[in-house]
Amino acid sequence: GDSVTQMEGPVTLSEEAFLTINCTYTATGYPSLFWYVQYPGEGLQLLLKATKADDKGSNKGFEATYRKETTSFHLEKGSVQVSDSAVYFCAPYNYGQNFVFGPGTRLSVLP
Amino acid sequence: DTGVSQDPRHKITKRGQNVTFRCDPISEHNRLYWYRQTLGQGPEFLTYFQNEAQLEKSRLLSDRFSAERPKGSFSTLEIQRTEQGDSAMYLCASSLAVGSRAGDSYNEQFFGPGTRLTVL
Repeated sequence: GDSVTQMEGPVTLSEEAFLTINCTYTATGYPSLFWYVQYPGEGLQLLLKATKADDKGSNKGFEATYRKETTSFHLEKGSVQVSDSAVYFCAPYNYGQNFVFGPGTRLSVLP
Repeated sequence: DTGVSQDPRHKITKRGQNVTFRCDPISEHNRLYWYRQTLGQGPEFLTYFQNEAQLEKSRLLSDRFSAERPKGSFSTLEIQRTEQGDSAMYLCASSLAVGSRAGDSYNEQFFGPGTRLTVL
């Protein structure tokens, strides 16, 4: 079945630092790719998505590019804020199947 | 509409007891999903409904688990004879979708805050 490997956390950064959270996946077919974020005490929220190769998803300053050749969808942000502290989940979605969530990467941003 | 709500937010029970959780989806959404999330892991799919029909169940959903969505609106998830291994966060999500299978079309799933179950 489909699977996801995410960068192990926790990731601790200072405010305004550059963020990369790596995500690689194994999936049959041609999945769409998603990043979800879970802020403390809240449910998961869709952060961004990409549906085909070389597409770039972006939202709230975060970006991720669908790299089919490397089966990767790394999340990046140029300058993180304390409010970005959360757990980030990478998830491929394949037609006819359900979401497969990665284990999550906890990000802590220090002021 | 304020989003997906779940009740209770926390539940502590003794091993062997039955527990029931409730999920109220976004009102116009026809699909409702249940997930389980254990510490340090991502959500794992348990089951989903389209309107009142339960269309798919994961093998994770043992015989002690049952879910209902009797009127196609709110849903309940019951766990009978709870075990310590049932301790987890139970998440509900809803979406507005067409088709009869989980993957027929992607529409964003909106998640509730979850119910944290602790089995002593």
